[in-house]
Amino acid sequence: SYELTQPPSVSVSPGQTASIACSGDDLDNKYASWYQQKPGQSPVLVIYQDNKRPSGIPERFSGSNSGNTATLTISGTQPMDEADYFCQTWDSSTLFGGGTRLTVL
Amino acid sequence: EVQLVESGGGLVQPGGSLRLSCAASGFTFSNYWMHWVRQAPGKGLVWVSRINSDGTSTTYADFVEGRFTISRDNAKNTLYLQMNSLRAEDAAMYYCVRATAPVVTLYFDYWGQGILVTVSS
Repeated sequence: SYELTQPPSVSVSPGQTASIACSGDDLDNKYASWYQQKPGQSPVLVIYQDNKRPSGIPERFSGSNSGNTATLTISGTQPMDEADYFCQTWDSSTLFGGGTRLTVL
Repeated sequence: EVQLVESGGGLVQPGGSLRLSCAASGFTFSNYWMHWVRQAPGKGLVWVSRINSDGTSTTYADFVEGRFTISRDNAKNTLYLQMNSLRAEDAAMYYCVRATAPVVTLYFDYWGQGILVTVSS
């Protein structure tokens, strides 16, 4: 069965660029979406269809998808971006990655 | 404003049943496929089930197949999840989620606040 793999954690200094990877076989032949979840809150869509930003999501959030890896990039990371991030795709059913805890320190 | 408000969760004994509801507002409910996604405490997101816009087609994750039933009442703008034969491993926050497309390009643009299901004797 298809799987999406994410690193459990990523750390970044404020103002720097954070990159969170999501790996899956031939992932670039599918669409990847990304969700941000802060403690005690519901997930929020931050990137859809690989690289599109919903309205209201800051421009510092961007996405790409090439080969076996989709990447969420946060430029000029702010302390408020500290959260769990989940990638998602569809391959005969909906799949989520295991999630990455982004720490801003 | 799109709103998805879940209800019906709580504590249930192993083997028991619960019916979750999700009241939708702020959009034309009957135009959208809807899903349930769950999250065990401290764990990741797991897809549970989906239903098409008119309620005639449903799909389930293997681990709930035969125990859970998803349904909807478009006249009442409400999504349901009937959960039977509950197990300890079904304990989780359950989210009602709006999908933007049936498959392939789908993503979830709105999530409810979640409802907690606890399975314990």
